[in-house]
Amino acid sequence: RKEVEQDPGPFNVPEGATVAFNCTYSNSASQSFFWYRQDCRKEPKLLMSVYSSGNEDGRFTAQLNRASQYISLLIRDSKLSDSATYLCVVGSLNFNKFYFGSGTKLNVKP
Amino acid sequence: DAGVTQSPTHLIKTRGQQVTLRCSPKSGHDTVSWYQQALGQGPQFIFQYYEEEERQRGNFPDRFSGHQFPNYSSELNVNALLLGDSALYLCASSLGSIPGQAASGEQYFGPGTRLTVT
Repeated sequence: RKEVEQDPGPFNVPEGATVAFNCTYSNSASQSFFWYRQDCRKEPKLLMSVYSSGNEDGRFTAQLNRASQYISLLIRDSKLSDSATYLCVVGSLNFNKFYFGSGTKLNVKP
Repeated sequence: DAGVTQSPTHLIKTRGQQVTLRCSPKSGHDTVSWYQQALGQGPQFIFQYYEEEERQRGNFPDRFSGHQFPNYSSELNVNALLLGDSALYLCASSLGSIPGQAASGEQYFGPGTRLTVT
């Protein structure tokens, strides 16, 4: 079983739509959680850390459910520039080791 | 503020050869992690260096080795290259420790080195 699993998509949504991605992880001892975005043939860029209480950054909201071992990302009012692959990342204790999901592709259409 | 840099950007090698990839971390960062990303996959953790020591290692064979220098820059070495080693190699830097605070674990990636093995 993979450490981190994501629906690969693609999610094709119109501009202005709300879209949600989920990600599950297998190790209950995981300590840190992140969402990164990766544009085609570019490096991953940190989108946001995910905290136990949930957190929001503008149009983006991240939630963590430790009991069910999943992480979610909600994007409101989608923009064309949100088109990218979204990577879910789970880190071990002391941030020594990180596991990336395979990514979920989002296409926002005009 | 200089971000993470990697060199070279592209490399073509023949099966059986050896390769060295280089990474300079973001200014102020002391921890470097290396990842391999195959096409259509997420990055796979190779290892992490902190204080010039390999602190953690992923599921990669001993053909993959690394080094961290006193200035925190790092090298990734791959021996006896296989066709399956063709991938994008990413370096990520982070802060291993912040006096008085817990480290955040947030990583910043370089643009990567695209290695092709023929």
